[in-house]
Amino acid sequence: NAGVTQTPKFQVLKTGQSMTLQCAQDMNHEYMSWYRQDPGMGLRLIHYSVGAGITDQGEVPNGYNVSRSTTEDFPLRLLSAAPSQTSVYFCASSASGQEYEQYFGPGTRLTVT
Amino acid sequence: GEDVEQSLFLSVREGDSSVINCTYTDSSSTYLYWYKQEPGAGLQLLTYIFSNMDMKQDQRLTVLLNKKDKHLSLRIADTQTGDSAIYFCADSGAGSYQLTFGKGTKLSVIP
Repeated sequence: NAGVTQTPKFQVLKTGQSMTLQCAQDMNHEYMSWYRQDPGMGLRLIHYSVGAGITDQGEVPNGYNVSRSTTEDFPLRLLSAAPSQTSVYFCASSASGQEYEQYFGPGTRLTVT
Repeated sequence: GEDVEQSLFLSVREGDSSVINCTYTDSSSTYLYWYKQEPGAGLQLLTYIFSNMDMKQDQRLTVLLNKKDKHLSLRIADTQTGDSAIYFCADSGAGSYQLTFGKGTKLSVIP
């Protein structure tokens, strides 16, 4: 098992550009989520999904879109990047009924200039 | 909203014990977690404790939970240089997959 994978590892965008951060897991986990990590702020939940076709907002959803067409993939879209979205983004997953055991991906470091 | 607080820095000598403290406000927290993040890496789940437990031990790690005071601690015995990392406390509510994280405690181990 590869676990939770994220691509790309690093990305630089200009303000206004769009891009998609990819997240995939091969553990057949129903639950997947996206967090952002900013210096001195800990991790904050952006969006999450409890299964294919179901998504919901977390604490800081503005400026981000998600969809969940398959169990394996949970992409995060930035429609019009802003410098405030400069951050490290982590994807996580867990099995249904095992919310106490979440697996995190290695992260994507995004810089918006 | 609910909050998780932890001190930002801790420095210990190699071989000593480290104690990282955390407080939380959500009285409905069901699970409390400790994650470790090494430089440039993702988060690794170290251990978790169910809210009806007082203590959990796993090799060099001991987690203590005082539910009345909403206080959680992580003790690392015989701290090694490889333990240098940022340690995050987090909690989640009953049946919830959504984690609320503290800001992280940077543990520095002095050889």
